[in-house]
Amino acid sequence: ELKVEQNPLFLSMQEGKNYTIYCNYSTTSDRLYWYRQDPGKSLESLFVLLSNGAVKQEGRLMASLDTKARLSTLHITAAVHDLSATYFCAVDISGGADGLTFGKGTHLIIQP
Amino acid sequence: DAGITQSPRHKVTETGTPVTLRCHQTENHRYMYWYRQDPGHGLRLIHYSYGVKDTDKGEVSDGYSVSRSKTEDFLLTLESATSSQTSVYFCAISSGLDYGYTFGSGTRLTVV
Repeated sequence: ELKVEQNPLFLSMQEGKNYTIYCNYSTTSDRLYWYRQDPGKSLESLFVLLSNGAVKQEGRLMASLDTKARLSTLHITAAVHDLSATYFCAVDISGGADGLTFGKGTHLIIQP
Repeated sequence: DAGITQSPRHKVTETGTPVTLRCHQTENHRYMYWYRQDPGHGLRLIHYSYGVKDTDKGEVSDGYSVSRSKTEDFLLTLESATSSQTSVYFCAISSGLDYGYTFGSGTRLTVV
C-alpha cells in the first residue's frame, strides 16, 4: 500500500525566510505532484514532476524529485504573505488508472 | 475549474437519507475520481472510474457507491448518510495521457 508522508504538517514562518517542505513516499514512482489549496477553495496544480532529478521553479517556489530516495521537496525562497496556504504532495503509481495518493498537507502561515 | 463541474456546491442532509453528488466533465477524459477531504487526512480516494460502467473502490469506499453511465458524468451516492460522512467531496478527472489531473470546485456536505 502506497503511503505518502509530508513534513512538517504545520509551518509558521516570517516573510523573507527560506524553508523546505518534504514529501516521502513508500512505493517506486516517477510521477509526483504538488498542489496548493487556499481555504474553502479547490486544489491548484503547482508542479508535475515526471522523472528522477526533475526540478521545476515558479516564482519563489521550487520543486524537485529524487525517485531513488522516494523524496520530493518544495522549497520556498524569501517567503511572502501571499504564499500562505496548504500545500499537498501526491503520488501517481498507475498512470492515472488508480488516481493520486495524497500526503496530509502542510499548512503554511507566513507572517509579515 | 474549466471542464469539470460539481453539484451541488453545498448540501445539508439528515442522517439516514440517501444523497447523490454529481460530477460533470466536458473534456472527454477517460478517468474520473471521487475524493473526500477531512482535516488531518488530506484527500482520500473513495471510488474511481476508468470508463463507462467501469468503476473500482478506493481507500475509503464503505458507505458509498458510484455510477458512470456516460463518459461525462460520475455520480457518488451515499446510500444512508451518516455524520462521519460530513466532509468536502472533490471530483477529479484525468486523460491518463498528459499526466494532468483537474479537480472540481468541491461539494461541502453536512450530515446532521
